[in-house]
Amino acid sequence: AQTVTQSQPEMSVQEAETVTLSCTYDTSESDYYLFWYKQPPSRQMILVIRQEAYKQQNATENRFSVNFQKAAKSFSLKISDSQLGDAAMYFCAYRSATSGGSNYKLTFGKGTLLTVNP
Amino acid sequence: KAGVTQTPRYLIKTRGQQVTLSCSPISGHRSVSWYQQTPGQGLQFLFEYFSETQRNKGNFPGRFSGRQFSNSRSEMNVSTLELGDSALYLCASSVLAGPPLHFGNGTRLTVT
Repeated sequence: AQTVTQSQPEMSVQEAETVTLSCTYDTSESDYYLFWYKQPPSRQMILVIRQEAYKQQNATENRFSVNFQKAAKSFSLKISDSQLGDAAMYFCAYRSATSGGSNYKLTFGKGTLLTVNP
Repeated sequence: KAGVTQTPRYLIKTRGQQVTLSCSPISGHRSVSWYQQTPGQGLQFLFEYFSETQRNKGNFPGRFSGRQFSNSRSEMNVSTLELGDSALYLCASSVLAGPPLHFGNGTRLTVT
């Protein structure tokens, strides 16, 4: 079974600074998706960025970028120019890219609570 | 385009009762999945439906069930509620068989 580990329960960053959230995962599959979701106090899970494992290029979405190291099974999220609105719980998640059976689910890490200080 | 809509937003039930939660996916999305979120266990997969068929179910007791209608709306039902069922229940939808990209605001269930 796949597992996702976020080793940092809490992180803090100064506004306008850069912060990196860590995520490692364990899988025997070669084709999969990785995601970072953000959950603010409003509770809605918001997709921040996604990465397909077959793509070597790291995904980027505006101020958010990832460092995907497939061999090391590492998937960190970098937030540049942090803003107060970035404060939230961040979840790393894994999903198999293979269709069928038990693959139609996301496996989440425990989350990292990010605080942004003004 | 309207997002994923979950109703109700809050529910308070008593042990032993049953509850039904509803999820309306984004228009055109045929896959709906459900997750339970608790402080202790984190986010856990409940089940996933595609075109009215349950394709996968998580490791939950039979008291947890669900279904999907022809218009892709989904309901989940929990019977004989226990205190441990208190949680935030999240629904997500996606196009065809893709991974869930859009979540609703969740239903906060409190069992007393």
